[in-house]
Amino acid sequence: DTEVTQTPKHLVMGMTNKKSLKCEQHMGHRAMYWYKQKAKKPPELMFVYSYEKLSINESVPSRFSPECPNSSLLNLHLHALQPEDSALYLCASSQVRPGQGAHEQYFGPGTRLTVT
Amino acid sequence: AQKITQTQPGMFVQEKEAVTLDCTYDTSDPSYGLFWYKQPSSGEMIFLIYQGSYDQQNATEGRYSLNFQKARKSANLVISASQLGDSAMYFCAMRGLSGGSYIPTFGRGTSLIVHP
Repeated sequence: DTEVTQTPKHLVMGMTNKKSLKCEQHMGHRAMYWYKQKAKKPPELMFVYSYEKLSINESVPSRFSPECPNSSLLNLHLHALQPEDSALYLCASSQVRPGQGAHEQYFGPGTRLTVT
Repeated sequence: AQKITQTQPGMFVQEKEAVTLDCTYDTSDPSYGLFWYKQPSSGEMIFLIYQGSYDQQNATEGRYSLNFQKARKSANLVISASQLGDSAMYFCAMRGLSGGSYIPTFGRGTSLIVHP
């Protein structure tokens, strides 16, 4: 099973709302990632969790708050977003092999977020 | 720092023909991995093929092959016998050591259109 699931598929929220994006994988991967992707652009790395600990935060504004409750789940909590935050949010996971780092990533279908 | 360059914003190919998508990279890390992903208009990033920096042979996966030329720092994707379903964005990515962590870096992508 190489599936990463994400919910919801689409989300429309106002600038004062609080919402959460969810990601789940059951491949035993110990690295999980959040990316933001604008149309016709490559994905931009936001956060990396390795063994359920936040290992990389790419200077993401605090209105995005990640959480990794266990090795299978990854959440992204959203609060007071701006219209420019509208994008496709992709979750990914990968194995971590000692001495070799992370390997190929498996991506979920993404959540298309619109901030009004 | 690591860098991935995809110089072809768009490519066109006739159905059943082969096509090569270019990717060059730069890194100071002797241990790295190179990946290609396909992203259809639906948004999901699909892992296609992987090449490790120490692999002696070029990677192949079905109709996909990776033309790895280490001295030239290039990792071009070759798609043989193109199909209409191959129309998508294609991203080259590299996993390398940056700031003590292994992080993926994506190129800007190439949009491939397969004509019937």
